[in-house]
Amino acid sequence: SAVISQKPSRDICQRGTSLTIQCQVDSQVTMMFWYRQQPGQSLTLIATANQGSEATYESGFVIDKFPISRPNLTFSTLTVSNMSPEDSSIYLCSVLLSGETQYFGPGTRLLVL
Amino acid sequence: EDKVVQSPLSLVVHEGDTVTLNCSYEVTNFRSLLWYKQEKKAPTFLFMLTSSGIEKKSGRLSSILDKKELFSILNITATQTGDSAIYLCAGGYGGATNKLIFGTGTLLAVQP
Repeated sequence: SAVISQKPSRDICQRGTSLTIQCQVDSQVTMMFWYRQQPGQSLTLIATANQGSEATYESGFVIDKFPISRPNLTFSTLTVSNMSPEDSSIYLCSVLLSGETQYFGPGTRLLVL
Repeated sequence: EDKVVQSPLSLVVHEGDTVTLNCSYEVTNFRSLLWYKQEKKAPTFLFMLTSSGIEKKSGRLSSILDKKELFSILNITATQTGDSAIYLCAGGYGGATNKLIFGTGTLLAVQP
């Protein structure tokens, strides 16, 4: 497996503001993913982040709301833009290792007031 | 529409009991079935299954996949309070990227 860190681990934000979440891996990985877990719900894939190309977004998620950067093979950021209380969730990054297994970071718990 | 359904939604047992968690899936371009344990925020990887009928085992946990019936089970024997968590099942799909579609999870509570 890999050591994956996320910053911040939690935050409380005001509506209308934006928050950038960082994901750092201790080894080079090709595929990174960003998920959202709303209260009481399971994980939903937001987008796939490939190094050197634009992120691929899942249905219901758009780049203007969730811009993603992937400047190298060990780092990615997800920005939650123009936040509303409905964006209150846990945001998780994951990396693809061993061919097909995803390993998750510790998550960022976001509360929007 | 692709989906992963887990049952039961929640379960309360006593230490020492054996539990079976269920996962059924309908996933286009299915590649693998994964189980995770989620205690606080981060899901922890347990098993990945790709072949039918081959049991994977790790300590008191074991899992098996039935690709004909589109079904997997996760067994936990001699449960301990530390097994209390949400257990997530996910279907892996796709070509070059193994994306995951998650079920809603089973909340397991193990009482002393």
